[in-house]
Amino acid sequence: EIVLTQSPGTLSLSPGERATLSCRASQSVSSSYLAWYQQKPGQAPRLLIYGASSRATGIPDRFSGSGSGTDFTLTISRLEPEDFAVYYCQQYGNSPGTFGPGTKVDFK
Amino acid sequence: EVQLLESGGGLVQPGGSLRLSCAASGFTFSNHAMSWVRRVPGKGLEWVSAISGSGASTYYADSVKGRFTISRDNSKNTLYLQMNSLRAEDTAVYFCATGYRGTTSAMSFDYWGQGTLVTVSS
Repeated sequence: EIVLTQSPGTLSLSPGERATLSCRASQSVSSSYLAWYQQKPGQAPRLLIYGASSRATGIPDRFSGSGSGTDFTLTISRLEPEDFAVYYCQQYGNSPGTFGPGTKVDFK
Repeated sequence: EVQLLESGGGLVQPGGSLRLSCAASGFTFSNHAMSWVRRVPGKGLEWVSAISGSGASTYYADSVKGRFTISRDNSKNTLYLQMNSLRAEDTAVYFCATGYRGTTSAMSFDYWGQGTLVTVSS
């Protein structure tokens, strides 16, 4: 199975700053089937990005995804207070689908 | 509006059993593969199991294979997870989820339930 690693483990930033989150796969992700999710305490995960770079329905354009092969990035252009959360990447190009361990974006 | 509502979580002793349910509405249930995903305390998300729309194909993570059984009743729009021989490491919030992209055992998840907590402890 494909193992995903995410860095950094924690990102401490202030509202208005830019956040850059990394996801690396142990082998190439088929067809760039890479998704990003946001999860807040006590809530279900929320799909942000699918296909490495396509925003899910209703996701603000400050969220963008990029990358291919084994290296992917989620960028939040200007952090809003509601963006402080844990972010997970997931590959769904190879069975079984797997998640990364997450990156926590918290207040500096 | 798509809604997924889990139930059946609770406190169970190691070696015990529990059955989770997920009631679905707002979409044609039988047309969609469904999955269970768990969030383990202090860790991240882990895909647990998946089932095709017809129920004919099932898939499991190695960590639960032989102990958990996924099933569905399309006449009741309900997904199930029978969990036997539970271990402390199965303690987690369990979510049912579905989506449109990928395959039954490797899909992205557009829709999630609110989750149900399973605690395995003596």
